[in-house]
Amino acid sequence: KAGVTQTPRYLIKTRGQQVTLSCSPISGHRSVSWYQQTPGQGLQFLFEYFSETQRNKGNFPGRFSGRQFSNSRSEMNVSTLELGDSALYLCASSPTSGRAGELFFGEGSRLTVL
Amino acid sequence: AQSVSQHNHHVILSEAASLELGCNYSYGGTVNLFWYVQYPGQHLQLLLKYFSGDPLVKGIKGFEAEFIKSKFSFNLRKPSVQWSDTAEYFCAAEESYIPTFGRGTSLIVHP
Repeated sequence: KAGVTQTPRYLIKTRGQQVTLSCSPISGHRSVSWYQQTPGQGLQFLFEYFSETQRNKGNFPGRFSGRQFSNSRSEMNVSTLELGDSALYLCASSPTSGRAGELFFGEGSRLTVL
Repeated sequence: AQSVSQHNHHVILSEAASLELGCNYSYGGTVNLFWYVQYPGQHLQLLLKYFSGDPLVKGIKGFEAEFIKSKFSFNLRKPSVQWSDTAEYFCAAEESYIPTFGRGTSLIVHP
C-alpha cells in the first residue's frame, strides 16, 4: 500500500508570495491533517479535513488555509508568506476523523521563505 | 489550551542502557496519549498509544509507556536501548480531537 505522498518536497519562496502544498493520503483514508514543524515550536496542528469538510482547526492565522477534494487529496495554501513561515509542513492521513493514534505521516514539504 | 512538555531535549546513551523520556500534559479531562518516533531520514510513525484501560502500554520495538493520571504524565521507557533507537521522539496528547505535540527529544545511542 502506498504511503502518504507530499509534493513538492522542497521549495523556496520570497516574502509576500503564496504557496500551495499537496498531499495524497493512503488509499481509503478520508481524513487528512496538516502540521507545521519548526525547531522552535515543534509540531503544531494546522487543520484537519474529513470528507471535504474542515473538522478541526489549530491556532494559525487566516493566511493558512486548506481544502480537500472528493478523492481525499488535500492542499494547503499559505498566502502573503512571512520569514517565520519557513518550516517543514507535514501531512497525515487517517481512516477516521480526529483520532491521532491512527495518523500516518508523509515525509513533508520543506518550505524556505527568503 | 492543551500543552505537552518533554523534559529532556537531548539524551545521549550507550547501548544497553535503560531509557526513560518524560512527558507531561496539561489537560485534566479525558485525553488520548501517544508517542511517535522519527528515525533519521524517515517519516514520523506511531510507537504506542493510550486511550483507556491498562495504564502500562506496550509498543513496537520493546518500548512501553506508563500513564499516571495523578501526575499528568506519560513517560516512555525501554530497558535496554540499541544503536538503532537513535531518533527523535515526540509525545502527543489529543483532546477534543485536536492533537498537541511536545517539542521532541533527540536520542543518540552510542554503540
